Amino acid sequence: QQQVKQSPQSLIVQKGGISIINCAYENTAFDYFPWYQQFPGKGPALLIAIRPDVSEKKEGRFTISFNKSAKQFSLHIMDSQPGDSATYFCAASGAAGTSGSRLTFGEGTQLTVNP
Amino acid sequence: KAGVTQTPRYLIKTRGQQVTLSCSPISGHRSVSWYQQTPGQGLQFLFEYFSETQRNKGNFPGRFSGRQFSNSRSEMNVSTLELGDSALYLCASSFRQGEAFFGQGTRLTVV
Repeated sequence: QQQVKQSPQSLIVQKGGISIINCAYENTAFDYFPWYQQFPGKGPALLIAIRPDVSEKKEGRFTISFNKSAKQFSLHIMDSQPGDSATYFCAASGAAGTSGSRLTFGEGTQLTVNP
Repeated sequence: KAGVTQTPRYLIKTRGQQVTLSCSPISGHRSVSWYQQTPGQGLQFLFEYFSETQRNKGNFPGRFSGRQFSNSRSEMNVSTLELGDSALYLCASSFRQGEAFFGQGTRLTVV
């Protein structure tokens, strides 16, 4: 019930292409879905997040698509750049009264953008 | 605004020893969470503190403990270290539910 499944495990994209990472969750109490970007030797950095009352959120080249009925959400990186090469994690958090700020993370996707 | 600060950045300890890690959250953030990151298990939630009280706890043995001080700074302690405790330990601070900002982590190696 607490799991978040992420795919693919690794992804190679050409510069200028679109990177797509998918996540699925089980617990319907989750109501906050962030994505994190992590570079080697660094902590995860909050990239973009969405709540289930909207189906899409866009910030620059990064877009989250959210499908509440399917319990799935995805990250799209448009015009992917070599500097986007990193590990991406999806996560989910429940209502504040029940789980505070506890995040359940997906397994991670290692993105490589070739020049 | 300064980010989340974790000290030390690197630690090498021997099996059986204990270790204390420190975290200073972003100013104004009252929630501090701890996570363990390993290649095999990914990012696993350890516990969360809010206003000096443990609000949430993950599935880790009692050897893992923490506390939070009145200034929101937090410490995490691991007693009787095992080789499997080698990991990157991450601290995150939050102002709003779920919106967590991570420090750079403490790399613990148990030999």
